Amino acid sequence: DAKTTQPNSMESNEEEPVHLPCNHSTISGTDYIHWYRQLPSQGPEYVIHGLTSNVNNRMASLAIAEDRKSSTLILHRATLRDAAVYYCILRDVGGGGSNYKLTFGKGTLLTVNP
Amino acid sequence: KAGVTQTPRYLIKTRGQQVTLSCSPISGHRSVSWYQQTPGQGLQFLFEYFSETQRNKGNFPGRFSGRQFSNSRSEMNVSTLELGDSALYLCASSRVGTQNYEQYFGPGTRLTVT
Repeated sequence: DAKTTQPNSMESNEEEPVHLPCNHSTISGTDYIHWYRQLPSQGPEYVIHGLTSNVNNRMASLAIAEDRKSSTLILHRATLRDAAVYYCILRDVGGGGSNYKLTFGKGTLLTVNP
Repeated sequence: KAGVTQTPRYLIKTRGQQVTLSCSPISGHRSVSWYQQTPGQGLQFLFEYFSETQRNKGNFPGRFSGRQFSNSRSEMNVSTLELGDSALYLCASSRVGTQNYEQYFGPGTRLTVT
């Protein structure tokens, strides 16, 4: 499985934007970039995903480098509820998308200060 | 729509015993995956079931097994429990198909082996 590298922790202030980086230099052409987050005492929750183009949804934006070797998850206005561990994951959809195995790294622990 | 449910939520077992955990996916979701989460190893993929067949498997010993029923509900079994099996066991369900990218996680079963 292609590997991702994330900072162990980051800190932000409430209502400020947060940029969470992820490096994936060995990404393959069939790897989608997924982000999940895990709030304290809960199971992981899907945030966003993308392949080549930048993506936006109600939770966040995903900026993908042109060479796809890195990406950045952007939370536009952090709230206390966004304090969580954020995981950047590569999901290989080669073979018709039947691979539902997610390989989680250590993730980034985001602390949001009031 | 009801989320992924897991039972029991908490379990205490003795070394050498066996345990069965249950997962009910979101209605209409046919893929069920299991993950183990420990402080030392993080989130690790155990296996994935679709249409009552194991489709993907992680690197766990044969003591870890699972099955899926015709209604998509899934169980995982751990035999001959070891202290190191103490963990949070998470179940996730997904629709099937290349465009169905989200995995929805349950709250987990916290297993303690003494």
